[in-house]
Order: sequence, then C-alpha cells, then structure tokens
Amino acid sequence: DAKTTQPPSMDCAEGRAANLPCNHSTISGNEYVYWYRQIHSQGPQYIIHGLKNNETNEMASLIITEDRKSSTLILPHATLRDTAVYYCIVRAYYGQNFVFGPGTRLSVLP
Amino acid sequence: GAVVSQHPSWVICKSGTSVKIECRSLDFQATTMFWYRQFPKQSLMLMATSNEGSKATYEQGVEKDKFLINHASLTLSTLTVTSAHPEDSSFYICSALPAGEDTGELFFGEGSRLTVL
Repeated sequence: DAKTTQPPSMDCAEGRAANLPCNHSTISGNEYVYWYRQIHSQGPQYIIHGLKNNETNEMASLIITEDRKSSTLILPHATLRDTAVYYCIVRAYYGQNFVFGPGTRLSVLP
Repeated sequence: GAVVSQHPSWVICKSGTSVKIECRSLDFQATTMFWYRQFPKQSLMLMATSNEGSKATYEQGVEKDKFLINHASLTLSTLTVTSAHPEDSSFYICSALPAGEDTGELFFGEGSRLTVL
C-alpha cells in the first residue's frame, strides 16, 4: 500500500502557482519523498525529490515540513501542459520499487 | 536525463496469442527493472521486479507463467504476455534503476498499450 495520501483532484488557473499537498505521516528516517507526474497515456516523469531540506529545480519546488510528515509540491507558474496526475511517493534511497497511490489529478485551466 | 525505451508503444493482438514487450535502458546499465500495469483511470500497480541474470520476483496475484519476464542483459528486460485474453488489455510500463549510481531516481519508459481482441 502507498504510504502517502493526496487529494484526488485540484484545479489551478494558468499562470498561477499550483500547490499540491501530500501527507506521509508514517515516513521513516531513511525515506525520501519523490514526486512524479503522468501525462495521459505516457510513462511517469520525474519531477523532484528530497529528504529533509526544501528543494528546487527547473520544474518545481518541494517544501517538506520540519517533522517530515507532509510536503508540498509547488509549480510556480502552471501551464496547460502541466495538466497531469501527480504522484507523491516515499521510498528508501536505493533499490526499492516505487509504490504508487492514486495521486492528484491536476487540471490547469485557461 | 537517462532514457528508458519501450517497444512496441502499442500493440493489438488476438485472444490466445503471445505478445512480447521490450524495455531498454538506452544510456545506462540497469541491474534492476520493474514492470507495472495500469488499467484505465487507475494508478500503476507493480507486477514484478526483474534483476539481471536471475529470476524475476512477482507480486502477489501476478501469474508468473502468464507474464514471463526475462532480464538477460544490463540494458534489456522483456515482458511476454502469454495466451493473452481481453482482460490482459492494459498499459504496461517498465522502469529501470541505474546500476552503481546513488541518485535514487527511477527512470520510466513511455509505456506499451496492449489491446487484446
């Protein structure tokens, strides 16, 4: 079973920031938080991952709470092409598979 | 980033035939590959873990004799759906874990859509 819970769906206006929450209250000390997204009929695409500190790359920012029980993925300026299902996954660093939950279906609206 | 390629990207076959799907890591070696299945409007479900040179490990409820997995090299794993039936119609996705790297990132293929008539 997935160790994360996410809202099933969210809407966001084009050009605005999309903030996608994820709860992982049972996360272990050695588990990282990964975010992937899946655009319709494609394989999952890596977005970002982190352990404790906030992370930022060219796609998004990841904010992890101090207790590590939840995190937020931020797409700073959402575009229509960001419409996808976003998966938050926790996993120990190497070797394990990824367990996918239902994810959040983000719809970016014009 | 690293690239994982699946072939074919879609296939239609008759009931009772077998279909082979290939998963290749194009620019890295992968000692471990994972195979997932995804039904419409559902999430990815892990089917099996494939390790180079050894037998695959199947998840509970996945028939190993029906879904044959071969991982004969560090860059290629194959999934063969034997005696396919309409209920096997699904989106099959592979992923590969780079050998010897510590990035933790798992790279996914584009997926292969199987339709069994």
